[in-house]
Amino acid sequence: QLQLQESGSGLVKPSQTLSLTCGVSGGSISSVGYSWNWIRQPPGKGLEWIGYIYQSGSTYYNPSLKSRVTISVDRSKNQFSLKLSSVTAADTAVYYCARGLPSYYYYGMDVWGQGTTVTVSS
Amino acid sequence: DIQMTQSASSMAASVGDRVTITCRASQSINSYLNWYQQKPGKAPKLLIYAASTLQSGVPSRFSGTGFGTDFTLTISGLQPEDFATYYCQQSYDTSLYTFGQGTKLEIK
Repeated sequence: QLQLQESGSGLVKPSQTLSLTCGVSGGSISSVGYSWNWIRQPPGKGLEWIGYIYQSGSTYYNPSLKSRVTISVDRSKNQFSLKLSSVTAADTAVYYCARGLPSYYYYGMDVWGQGTTVTVSS
Repeated sequence: DIQMTQSASSMAASVGDRVTITCRASQSINSYLNWYQQKPGKAPKLLIYAASTLQSGVPSRFSGTGFGTDFTLTISGLQPEDFATYYCQQSYDTSLYTFGQGTKLEIK
C-alpha cells in the first residue's frame, strides 16, 4: 500500500527558503501517469494547490506562487521535494504531499501524507 | 482561474439524515470534479472522482452527481463518522487545480 511521508523544517525565518521532502513507500515514484503534488492549508483555512511534478520531471505550479516554488524529484531515493523561497508569515500552513491519479481517473488525489506544519517566524 | 464555490460554508444535520452539498464551477469543467473529506487534524481523503465515481473503500452512502458547472455530493443516512469538512476540487485545468472553500458538516 502506497504511503507518503513529509519531512523537513518546521520553523523557517522570514525571507528564507522552506524545504520539504515527501518520501514514497510501497510504490514507485516512477510510475507513469501519476503526478506528485504539494498542497497547503493555512491555519483554519481551506486547501491551496501548490504544484506537481511528473516522474519525467515536468512541473506545473500555481501561478500565485510560481516565482518562488521549485518541485523536484529524486527517483533514486523515491522521493520528491518542495522549495518555497522568500517566505513570509502568509506561508505558515500545514503542507501535504499527495499522489495524483492518471488522466483516466480524472486526476483525483488518492494518497496523501499526514501533513507537516511549517511556521514562518523570526 | 476556475473558481469553485460551495454554496454553504457550514451545515447542520442529524445522524440518519440525507445531506446534499453543492459545488459550482465558474466555467464548464465537464466531469473533472473530485470530492474530499477532511477531519480535524487529518489529511483530506478522496471520496469521489470524475464527479460520480466512488473511490475504492468509500461507503456507498456517498454519491456524486453533476456535469459542466454544477455538482453535488450526497450522503444518504449520515453516520457519526461523516461529520467533517468536505471540499470539491476541479482537475479540468491541469495547470491550476482549485478547491472550493469547504463545507463543514456539523451535528444538529
